[in-house]
Amino acid sequence: DAGVTQSPTHLIKTRGQQVTLRCSPKSGHDTVSWYQQALGQGPQFIFQYYEEEERQRGNFPDRFSGHQFPNYSSELNVNALLLGDSALYLCASSTDYPKNIQYFGAGTRLSVL
Amino acid sequence: GQNIDQPTEMTATEGAIVQINCTYQTSGFNGLFWYQQHAGEAPTFLSYNVLDGLEEKGRFSSFLSRSKGYSYLLLKELQMKDSASYLCAVRVRPSGGYNKLIFGAGTRLAVHP
Repeated sequence: DAGVTQSPTHLIKTRGQQVTLRCSPKSGHDTVSWYQQALGQGPQFIFQYYEEEERQRGNFPDRFSGHQFPNYSSELNVNALLLGDSALYLCASSTDYPKNIQYFGAGTRLSVL
Repeated sequence: GQNIDQPTEMTATEGAIVQINCTYQTSGFNGLFWYQQHAGEAPTFLSYNVLDGLEEKGRFSSFLSRSKGYSYLLLKELQMKDSASYLCAVRVRPSGGYNKLIFGAGTRLAVHP
């Protein structure tokens, strides 16, 4: 049973560019959440997708957008990249019941130069 | 606001016991999670508490007191491979909203021979 998979593993971009990160959830999971983790910090909630809709959102600007596909996989898009967007981007999948435990992928390390 | 506090760093000796504390002030509390994260890797789920008391899982135990806004993770018979960051995360569910995780900054544990 494959866990949560993310691609790519690493990415280098320059300021102003756009990036798309991808996530495939754990088998049987229908909810995908995205997090940004800066070095030495805990993950910060970006948004959550369920039934192809953004269900809730953290304190991130509109430059951060996403999508969920009918097979529950998801994409995170970031436009007009800033140096401060350099971080580890984590995807987590879950189901609402019974315990709503989120399982994480290994993440995409984004460096903005 | 939502706030989660845990010590930044801890050190311990192989074979010993260590307790990592977490205090929180959140609204809409709906469960507390502990995750382990090795450097450059995905957070992995360790434990979940939603009711007061102790949950034991092999060498790891987690305790919750909702009235005190307090939890701890207890690691017994420490091994070198336990050197990692330990993330305390509170699940909150705002009125009319959905579950989301709020993470502390993590506690870096170094286990020495």
